[in-house]
Amino acid sequence: SQTIHQWPATLVQPVGSPLSLECTVEGTSNPNLYWYRQAAGRGLQLLFYSVGIGQISSEVPQNLSASRPQDRQFILSSKKLLLSDSGFYLCAFWRVRFPGYTFGSGTRLTVV
Amino acid sequence: TQLLEQSPQFLSIQEGENLTVYCNSSSVFSSLQWYRQEPGEGPVLLVTVVTGGEVKKLKRLTFQFGDARKDSSLHITAAQPGDTGLYLCAGLIYNQGGKLIFGQGTELSVKP
Repeated sequence: SQTIHQWPATLVQPVGSPLSLECTVEGTSNPNLYWYRQAAGRGLQLLFYSVGIGQISSEVPQNLSASRPQDRQFILSSKKLLLSDSGFYLCAFWRVRFPGYTFGSGTRLTVV
Repeated sequence: TQLLEQSPQFLSIQEGENLTVYCNSSSVFSSLQWYRQEPGEGPVLLVTVVTGGEVKKLKRLTFQFGDARKDSSLHITAAQPGDTGLYLCAGLIYNQGGKLIFGQGTELSVKP
């Protein structure tokens, strides 16, 4: 079966510190991968998506970056966090057989 | 910029009542999806509608895609407390790697 793992579940980081959130997918090859951010339990904002290794498309200019070093690994990073980076970060992959996203369980990031 | 306007944003009703959530856009989407999200978790796909005018039923939930594929609605009959959650509509953009544009969400509370 196709599964997605995202960690950590919660993170509290000081302003100016680096960030690395990791997402891995199992049970599928060459998936389309996505990072979304959700503020205050509302709609999701697409941050990055990737259609293959090393291929990253950025949707919103910001303090974050993404990388895809392996086929089923997607990483969200920042060199220096801002207060405005706080939020709920979700990783997802596109299911081909039953079209739609499968989301990870999310990371609650609080920048203090 | 493609936007999805979702309404209402908040809905609090009594068990047994009916409700409808709307999702509107000026853009045409290749398909439209509805997700349900519990607090602290990732959204879970409920349904995908693809054809203009399509109606799909999932137990007490009825989903409709507008004829012009610009809007959709979710109708819940005889709401139950277990229906409580955040409902998100999302439109799939043509030929852009499976990118979904999400509405702002409807937070539904069903009181016993």
